[in-house]
Amino acid sequence: EVQMVESGGGLVEPGTSLTLSCAASGFRFGDYTMHWVRQVPGKGLEWISAINWNSEDVGYADSVRGRFAVYRDNTRNSLYLRMRSLRSDDTAFYYCVKDIKYFFDSWGHGVLVTVTS
Amino acid sequence: QSALTQPAAVSGSPGQSITISCTGSSTDIGAYDHVSWYQQSPGRAPKVIIFGVNHRPSGVSFRFSGSKSGNTAFLTISGLQAEDEAEYFCCSFVGSITWLFGGGTKLTVL
Repeated sequence: EVQMVESGGGLVEPGTSLTLSCAASGFRFGDYTMHWVRQVPGKGLEWISAINWNSEDVGYADSVRGRFAVYRDNTRNSLYLRMRSLRSDDTAFYYCVKDIKYFFDSWGHGVLVTVTS
Repeated sequence: QSALTQPAAVSGSPGQSITISCTGSSTDIGAYDHVSWYQQSPGRAPKVIIFGVNHRPSGVSFRFSGSKSGNTAFLTISGLQAEDEAEYFCCSFVGSITWLFGGGTKLTVL
């Protein structure tokens, strides 16, 4: 069974940093592009980052470019999102998502990041 | 990177058909046949119901269909059922390993 489990969320102050992790299982992790998608509670989905199978291609939404960095460790079947200079509008659930042919076929349950003073 | 435009809400009675639009531009929906649609119920992670404009993953009801015309994609749900009540999001690949979601449409089954 394909499974992604996010961790590392929590309550942080504006301007600080946080790194999210995603542990993947049930598929050949190293074969797939992976994404981070976030959702403010009660609001819409926002794609924020992707990384291809060998980390040679990465992409970011304008809202996080320069502050967030995505990386992966295929030996550990893990995806990461390093978030810096966090702002209140970064408060959201963050989903780890598996890509297959340009769409998102499997989602984690999400982890909540709350940025507040 | 402005979100794709979807109506905030649509509604229909059981058995009816509804269509949700998703409007982008010539650089996203108009440029690629990589439009997908996601269904999200409260408290749940999204689930893909359409990919590649008009393809259904296995296990998704034939009542869900997708199409595209120019810079606008459409999701049609026929034979509405109470269980279809959820929020629906469109998404398009926009090149250079980036994607864009729509703002979401809340479907109410009357």
